Amino acid sequence: NAGVTQTPKFRILKIGQSMTLQCTQDMNHNYMYWYRQDPGMGLKLIYYSVGAGITDKGEVPNGYNVSRSTTEDFPLRLELAAPSQTSVYFCASSPGQGFRYEQYFGPGTRLTVT
Amino acid sequence: DQQVKQNSPSLSVQEGRISILNCDYTNSMFDYFLWYKKYPAEGPTFLISISSIKDKNEDGRFTVFLNKSAKHLSLHIVPSQPGDSAVYFCAASATGNQFYFGTGTSLTVIP
Repeated sequence: NAGVTQTPKFRILKIGQSMTLQCTQDMNHNYMYWYRQDPGMGLKLIYYSVGAGITDKGEVPNGYNVSRSTTEDFPLRLELAAPSQTSVYFCASSPGQGFRYEQYFGPGTRLTVT
Repeated sequence: DQQVKQNSPSLSVQEGRISILNCDYTNSMFDYFLWYKKYPAEGPTFLISISSIKDKNEDGRFTVFLNKSAKHLSLHIVPSQPGDSAVYFCAASATGNQFYFGTGTSLTVIP
């Protein structure tokens, strides 16, 4: 099992550009999440999904969009990138059943917006 | 407003001794708690969890204690090993959907 994979690993965007961060999991997990981590801070939830076709906002959803058309994939879309979106982005998945809420994280995408 | 707090940014411990990492929360609705370990340039790795129906959970060298009345949990690592040096995050949830993370404690285990 590859677990949770994220692409790209690094990206530099100019202000106003858009991009999609890709996330795929091969563990057949129902739940998937997107977090961002700013320097010296904890992870903050952007969006989450409890199954294909179902998404919901987390703590910091502004400036982002997601979709979940399959169990495996959960892409995160940044529209009109701003310097405040400079961060490390982590995707995670979780069984989400039978109190199995532990999350398995990808390696992260380091995004810089200049 | 930070609902989960880790007030010690760093901790140093001698190899073989006990490491105790602390976490406080403000939301009394939280009923599921997890600890993660993170190495630089990697994603967090799940360590151990506890639900609010318990006050202790053990897994090998790792034990998590939950004090609901104090809204406090702690992670004990015994004995500490140099490979345990990492940043440790606690996280909490009321629904199993949205998780709130602390800001992390950087543990250094000195050989």
